Amino acid sequence: AQTVTQSQPEMSVQEAETVTLSCTYDTSESDYYLFWYKQPPSRQMILVIRQEAYKQQNATENRFSVNFQKAAKSFSLKISDSQLGDAAMYFCAYRSAGGRGGATNKLIFGTGTLLAVQP
Amino acid sequence: KAGVTQTPRYLIKTRGQQVTLSCSPISGHRSVSWYQQTPGQGLQFLFEYFSETQRNKGNFPGRFSGRQFSNSRSEMNVSTLELGDSALYLCASSLVVTGVYEQYFGPGTRLTVT
Repeated sequence: AQTVTQSQPEMSVQEAETVTLSCTYDTSESDYYLFWYKQPPSRQMILVIRQEAYKQQNATENRFSVNFQKAAKSFSLKISDSQLGDAAMYFCAYRSAGGRGGATNKLIFGTGTLLAVQP
Repeated sequence: KAGVTQTPRYLIKTRGQQVTLSCSPISGHRSVSWYQQTPGQGLQFLFEYFSETQRNKGNFPGRFSGRQFSNSRSEMNVSTLELGDSALYLCASSLVVTGVYEQYFGPGTRLTVT
């Protein structure tokens, strides 16, 4: 079974600074997708960034980028130029690309990292 | 385009009762997944539907059930409610099941069992 681990329950960053959130996962599959979701106090889950495991190039979306290390099963999120609106709970998630179980949209989430942004 | 809608947004029930939650996906989306979010267990997958068929089910007791209609709207039902069923229930919709298509989440239904 796949698992996702986020070892930082809480993080804090100064506005305009850079912060990195950690995520490791365990899987025996070779093809999968990884995601970072943001959940602000409104509880609306929003996709921040996605990475396909077969792509070696790290995904970037504006101020958000990932460091994907497939061999180490590590998928960290870097937020540059942090803004007050970035304050939220961040979840790392894994999704199988198929295989024996077939294609699925099932997401396996980590426990989350609560990010505070200090003005 | 309207987002994923969930009704009701808030619900208070008593132990032993049953409850039905509804999820309307984004127009054109055929895949709907449900998740339970609690402070203790985090986000846990409940089930996944595509074109009215349940494709995947999480590790929840049989009191939790769901279905999907021909218009892709989905409902989940919890019978014989327990205090531990108090949670935020999220649904997510996607165009299809394959590929790295984004899943869009609804605002959730907050269920409180007393």
